[in-house]
Amino acid sequence: AQSVTQPDIHITVSEGASLELRCNYSYGATPYLFWYVQSPGQGLQLLLKYFSGDTLVQGIKGFEAEFKRSQSSFNLRKPSVHWSDAAEYFCAVAFFGNEKLTFGTGTRLTIIP
Amino acid sequence: DAMVIQNPRYQVTQFGKPVTLSCSQTLNHNVMYWYQQKSSQAPKLLFHYYDKDFNNEADTPDNFQSRRPNTSFCFLDIRSPGLGDAAMYLCATSRDQQGGTDTQYFGPGTRLTVL
Repeated sequence: AQSVTQPDIHITVSEGASLELRCNYSYGATPYLFWYVQSPGQGLQLLLKYFSGDTLVQGIKGFEAEFKRSQSSFNLRKPSVHWSDAAEYFCAVAFFGNEKLTFGTGTRLTIIP
Repeated sequence: DAMVIQNPRYQVTQFGKPVTLSCSQTLNHNVMYWYQQKSSQAPKLLFHYYDKDFNNEADTPDNFQSRRPNTSFCFLDIRSPGLGDAAMYLCATSRDQQGGTDTQYFGPGTRLTVL
């Protein structure tokens, strides 16, 4: 069965610093990968997704993610974080033939001045 | 703006008292999903509708039911809420069911409290 691991439960970053959130998946076939962000008390918003092609994917709000097949990873990055980026970030995986989106357990991002 | 709307945003119910949560969408999407998200956990898919076809997850308790009277609306019914059902309930939609690869658009959620 497919699974997603986000090894960092909570990350604290200074405003203006760079950010990398880790995501690893487990499945035999090529996955379809997503990053969602959830602000407190809100629903999930799609940041970016990878289906095929260029392994470096650009998303909204200045985020990008890189698919590395050899490492089964899809890490999310941002060169300079803003206080408004404080939220919960979820990595998710799906694959063709299964309509189910499987989420990781999330990484809570705290921004300090 | 086209949106996914959930009502109410906050719902308080008593142990064992049936409750219904509502979701509506203006995206005209074929697929509607219901997720349960407990505190500090990942969203967990309960079931989804592809048009009128209902698809239940194997581990979704019988206590949870759903109705989709038309394309725009979908309801989540909890027949006898227990304390363990307190959670955020998220509704999502997607245009089509392409193996889960179609982008899902989420509503803001309904936070359910069970007293």
